[in-house]
This record gives sequence, structure tokens and C-alpha cells, in this order.
Amino acid sequence: EPEVTQTPSHQVTQMGQEVILRCVPISNHLYFYWYRQILGQKVEFLVSFYNNEISEKSEIFDDQFSVERPDGSNFTLKIRSTKLEDSAMYFCASLWQDGEQFFGPGTRLTVL
Amino acid sequence: GESVGLHLPTLSVQEGDNSIINCAYSNSASDYFIWYKQESGKGPQFIIDIRSNMDKRQGQRVTVLLNKTVKHLSLQIAATQPGDSAVYFCAAQKDNQGGKLIFGQGTELSVKP
Repeated sequence: EPEVTQTPSHQVTQMGQEVILRCVPISNHLYFYWYRQILGQKVEFLVSFYNNEISEKSEIFDDQFSVERPDGSNFTLKIRSTKLEDSAMYFCASLWQDGEQFFGPGTRLTVL
Repeated sequence: GESVGLHLPTLSVQEGDNSIINCAYSNSASDYFIWYKQESGKGPQFIIDIRSNMDKRQGQRVTVLLNKTVKHLSLQIAATQPGDSAVYFCAAQKDNQGGKLIFGQGTELSVKP
């Protein structure tokens, strides 16, 4: 069964450093998403990506965040200068056209 | 703004009993709803979905009920098993063409053997 994969599973970084979280969505999907989940809280939408551009972003997704689909398979989330409050689980999701969004296993980001 | 909420943060049931997890949403424009299950350290896993033109949908051991009048959604799990122990999230979407999901807080279901 096809699945969304994410790397790394855990990333530890110092405050102010840049991080890149990587995702490989399901191959024939058209819509791509990043969500985050702070420990013990609900999952929050960050950004959606369709047709090689951002289709929607939340207030959380400020200038420190960017997304890229550098080739036909990878989808990345970059945080330019991490803050302590960026510590969370980051989930990538993908969708073919409508219906269910498929989520990856997540990357746990710890900012020290 | 839109919000999606759950009525109870935790639910404890005996193995074999039925479980009911509730959810309320605020945006009447939401027309697609999904229940996800999240086990510790994993990503949300799809359980069942329902569109706003339906009021009930059944899967294997799970049923979702939608009451658009009061903007309420519920997930019923029949004959709950220890493997059902997880956090359950409802999520709402305004349209079914790639829109973002708005998640509720989550209910932690514990199944006692």
C-alpha cells in the first residue's frame, strides 16, 4: 500500500539554526500539506501546495517558513531560523484529488 | 474563525463495549468531515469520512453520524478492542478539492481488558 514517508524521524537543533524537513508524498497525488502538532495539542494546518505553488497558508506559516517541491517526488519544509516554540511534530500529508488526506509518520523537531 | 471541538478529552471503556466519541464544529460551510486515529508517536490514520449530504456512514465496526442542524459529528466504535486505544480526532474541511483540514482537540480512548 502506498504511503507518505518523512525524514528524519527526529531532528534536534539549536535555536536560530535552519532545518529542512523532508517528505515523499504518494506518487500520483496532486495536493501536498504540512501540519504541525505541539505536544499534547491538536494538529494545526501550516500550508497547502498545489500545482507547484502555495494554495493556502496559516498565520503560523510566516516568513521563517518555506516549502519546496524540488523534483517530482520530494516535498520539503524549511524553517530558516528556528525558535523554541517551533518544537513540535511536523506531519506531511498528500491527497490525490478529493477525499482522504494521507499523513506521514511525522518528524519530531526539538529546538534547544 | 472556524473551530472544531470535542466534548470529552478522555474516554475509558471496557473491551467489548461500544464507544461514542463526539465532536462539534462551528463553520456551517464545512462539507466534508473525517475521523482520524492517532497512536502514540505516529501520524493520523484515516478511519472514516462523511460528506455533508449524508447523515450516516458505516465502515467496519465504525459508524459516523452527522447532524448538520446542530453542527455535531460522532464516531461510534462497536465492540471496542484494546487495539482501538488511541487519540481520535475529528477534522472538517470546507470543500473536498484540496482544502485544509481543521482538527479538533482529540479524545484519548482507553480500552480496559
